[in-house]
Amino acid sequence: QQKVQQSPESLIVPEGAMTSLNCTFSDSASQYFAWYRQHSGKAPKALMSIFSNGEKEEGRFTIHLNKASLHFSLHIRDSQPSDSALYLCADDSGYNKLTFGKGTVLLVSP
Amino acid sequence: EAAVTQSPRNKVAVTGGKVTLSCNQTNNHNNMYWYRQDTGHGLRLIHYSYGAGSTEKGDIPDGYKASRPSQENFSLILELATPSQTSVYFCASGRDWEANTGQLYFGEGSKLTVL
Repeated sequence: QQKVQQSPESLIVPEGAMTSLNCTFSDSASQYFAWYRQHSGKAPKALMSIFSNGEKEEGRFTIHLNKASLHFSLHIRDSQPSDSALYLCADDSGYNKLTFGKGTVLLVSP
Repeated sequence: EAAVTQSPRNKVAVTGGKVTLSCNQTNNHNNMYWYRQDTGHGLRLIHYSYGAGSTEKGDIPDGYKASRPSQENFSLILELATPSQTSVYFCASGRDWEANTGQLYFGEGSKLTVL
């Protein structure tokens, strides 16, 4: 069973909307959580990461981590067509290793 | 920005043939990784390395070997390629994790087709 599960599998939102992506993980001992973004045909690129419970904001992007509920989320405010991509969440599966979810395909329609 | 270069970018191989995918990083990162990406599976870890001379098995190592001859280079070797190994392979590098770090830097990927 996938250790990191993402939902939804795909999502279409209008330009300017708020986008919310979700991730659940199975290992409560995980210390590090990250979101990566991958545009079509390109390399995955780190977007944001967090080590402790709570919230972190960078520009239009906010991540929330709740270890008690094993839940990790990414919120994109004022979504733009350029945000259209595959979003991957990840947690550490041991020292210096990342386990990724299957990803959510986001399409922001102009 | 950290640089990770993969070669070849595209490869067509025959079943039973040997395939070597190469990765070079100029970031002086200790850690390097090989992932494969297939539709419906996300990124899955094949092998990784903590430094020159070390290789470790990831989550799906069967059918693959890895070699880390130097800090900069990390290779993935398919001794007997099979059609099920058709995929896009990504190499990544990263520093030893400290607070607020742990970011992986990925190469652009190597698309392998095994006929």
